[in-house]
Amino acid sequence: AQSVTQLGSHVSVSEGALVLLRCNYSSSVPPYLFWYVQYPNQGLQLLLKYTTGATLVKGINGFEAEFKKSETSFHLTKPSAHMSDAAEYFCAVSDSDNNDMRFGAGTRLTVKP
Amino acid sequence: ETGVTQSPTHLIKTRGQQVTLRCSSQSGHNTVSWYQQALGQGPQFIFQYYREEENGRGNFPPRFSGLQFPNYSSELNVNALELDDSALYLCASNKGQKNYNEQFFGPGTRLTVL
Repeated sequence: AQSVTQLGSHVSVSEGALVLLRCNYSSSVPPYLFWYVQYPNQGLQLLLKYTTGATLVKGINGFEAEFKKSETSFHLTKPSAHMSDAAEYFCAVSDSDNNDMRFGAGTRLTVKP
Repeated sequence: ETGVTQSPTHLIKTRGQQVTLRCSSQSGHNTVSWYQQALGQGPQFIFQYYREEENGRGNFPPRFSGLQFPNYSSELNVNALELDDSALYLCASNKGQKNYNEQFFGPGTRLTVL
């Protein structure tokens, strides 16, 4: 079964600095990979997803992620952090064999002024 | 376009009781998935319904059951509540049978079991 590991439960950056949130996956079949954001007291919102094709995926709010099969990674980046980016971020993996989407434990991003 | 809605927002139950949570899917969506999110953890997949049939299930016991109605709204039922069932329960809907189609999440129902 597929699984996801998010490295770092908390990440703190200064406003304007690079955001890098790490995600490694395990899957026996070609994976579908997702990043979701969760603001306090809200549901999850899809930032971006990789299914097939181009390995560099651009999402909403200036985020992007690169699927690296050789490293089994799907790290999320943003060149310049905004205060509004402070939230919980979840990486998730699914595959074409079933609909069991597996989420990582999440990374809480704090943005300092 | 109405998003995914869930009711109730909060719920307090005691151990051994039964609970029903409700979810209205986004307009045009025929698939609903349910997730349990314990405090400080990521969501865990409970099960999915596609056109009123269960279409996948995670590692949850049979006391977690569900329904999907002809209008694609859904219910999650949990029997014999345990303290560990305390969590945020999220519902998500999408078009089509596969969850690589974008899932839209509701705000969740926070269940507390005393």
